[in-house]
Amino acid sequence: DIQMTQSPSTLSASVGDRVTITCRASQSISTWLAWYQQKPGKAPKLLIYDASTLESGVPSRFSGSGSGTEFTLTISSLQPDDFATYYCQQYDTDPWTFGQGTKVEIK
Amino acid sequence: EVQLVESGGGLIQPGGSLRLSCAASGFTVSRNYMSWVRQAPGKGLEWLSVIYSGGSTYYADSVKGRFTISRDNSKNTLYLQMNSLRAEDTAVYYCAGDVALAYWGQGTLVTVSS
Repeated sequence: DIQMTQSPSTLSASVGDRVTITCRASQSISTWLAWYQQKPGKAPKLLIYDASTLESGVPSRFSGSGSGTEFTLTISSLQPDDFATYYCQQYDTDPWTFGQGTKVEIK
Repeated sequence: EVQLVESGGGLIQPGGSLRLSCAASGFTVSRNYMSWVRQAPGKGLEWLSVIYSGGSTYYADSVKGRFTISRDNSKNTLYLQMNSLRAEDTAVYYCAGDVALAYWGQGTLVTVSS
């Protein structure tokens, strides 16, 4: 199975900060990677798919990049609504797998 | 508007069986990839299973041989049959649609406990 490793596990940041989350795959997944945002008690929300394509309706401050085994999610200017947990997920090879999550907290 | 509505969760004893349903509207289950994902209390997301539009199915190792994904095209509904349930299967179970999981239900809680 492909292992997805996110870093950091927790990130403390302030409103307006530029935030970067990294996701590494244990083998190449081309660009078959998605990023999700989840708030407590809610279902996850798709932000980015195919590594860098912004889902419709998602603010442009979110961006994704990478290919192969290393990927990043960047929030260009953190907003109060962005404090949440973020997950990457590969859909290159079955079984699909998620990273362990990155919690973005208020500094 | 796409809506996915899960049902069927509840309290079940270890070793028991449960079938979850995911009724879709505004979205055709048979024409899309449909997945089940779960989240144990206080833990991260765990992908469980997918059924492709062509009917192929795949499972995470943690549920292979115990869980079965299926769909009823006439009812536009996705199912997850869960057998031989264990305490560690306690989680909120979500159905999700599309290759990248663009559409999610609200989740249904399964508690496995004696």
